[in-house]
Amino acid sequence: ETGVTQSPTHLIKTRGQQVTLRCSSQSGHNTVSWYQQALGQGPQFIFQYYREEENGRGNFPPRFSGLQFPNYSSELNVNALELDDSALYLCASSLSGLGYGYTFGSGTRLTVV
Amino acid sequence: GIQVEQSPPDLILQEGANSTLRCNFSDSVNNLQWFHQNPWGQLINLFYIPSGTKQNGRLSATTVATERYSLLYISSSQTTDSGVYFCAVGADSWGKLQFGAGTQVVVTP
Repeated sequence: ETGVTQSPTHLIKTRGQQVTLRCSSQSGHNTVSWYQQALGQGPQFIFQYYREEENGRGNFPPRFSGLQFPNYSSELNVNALELDDSALYLCASSLSGLGYGYTFGSGTRLTVV
Repeated sequence: GIQVEQSPPDLILQEGANSTLRCNFSDSVNNLQWFHQNPWGQLINLFYIPSGTKQNGRLSATTVATERYSLLYISSSQTTDSGVYFCAVGADSWGKLQFGAGTQVVVTP
C-alpha cells in the first residue's frame, strides 16, 4: 500500500508568479484535501476534492484553485503569488465517509521571494 | 467556525516521564483526530476519537464530547515522541478539519 506522495518537496518562486503542486493519493482513497501550514501554526483547510469536484472550501481567495484527476491524484494551483503564501502545503487523502482515514503527505515547502 | 484551543503550547519532558495534552473545542463535532507532526513536517494520524477512550501502545486518548474536550496521554515518553501534537476537529466524519495551534513537545534524554 503506497502512501500519499507530494511533489516537489521544496520550491522557491518570485512574487507574482504561478505555481502548481502535485499530490498522489493513497491507494484506495478517493478524496483529497489540501491544507496550508504557516510557520509555527496549525494547518488551515484550503479545499477538498471528491470525484473530481470541489467539495468544500476554506477561507482562501479564488487564486487558489485545484483539480482532481480520474485516478484521484490532485493539483493545487496558486496564481499571483504573494509573500504570505510562503508555507508548507499538505495534501491528505481519505476514503469518502471515513474521515479517520486521513493520510497526509510530507508536504511541499513553498518560499515566495 | 469551530474554535480549537490546545494546551500547553510547549512541554519539555525528561525521557520516561508521563504527560497530558488537552484540546478544547467550541461546538459539537463528529470528527476529532490527534496528529503528531515530526521534524520533517509529516503529519501522522494517532487517533480518530470523536468520543470515548482509545489506547495505542504508550499513547492513549479520551474525548468527552458533552464537555467539548479531549486529552492525549503520553506515558513513559521517549525522545522519538518529540514533535508537535495537533488536535483537529470537524463537523462531519470526512470533510474539513479545523486544527488547533498545537503543543510542541521536547523529550530530553
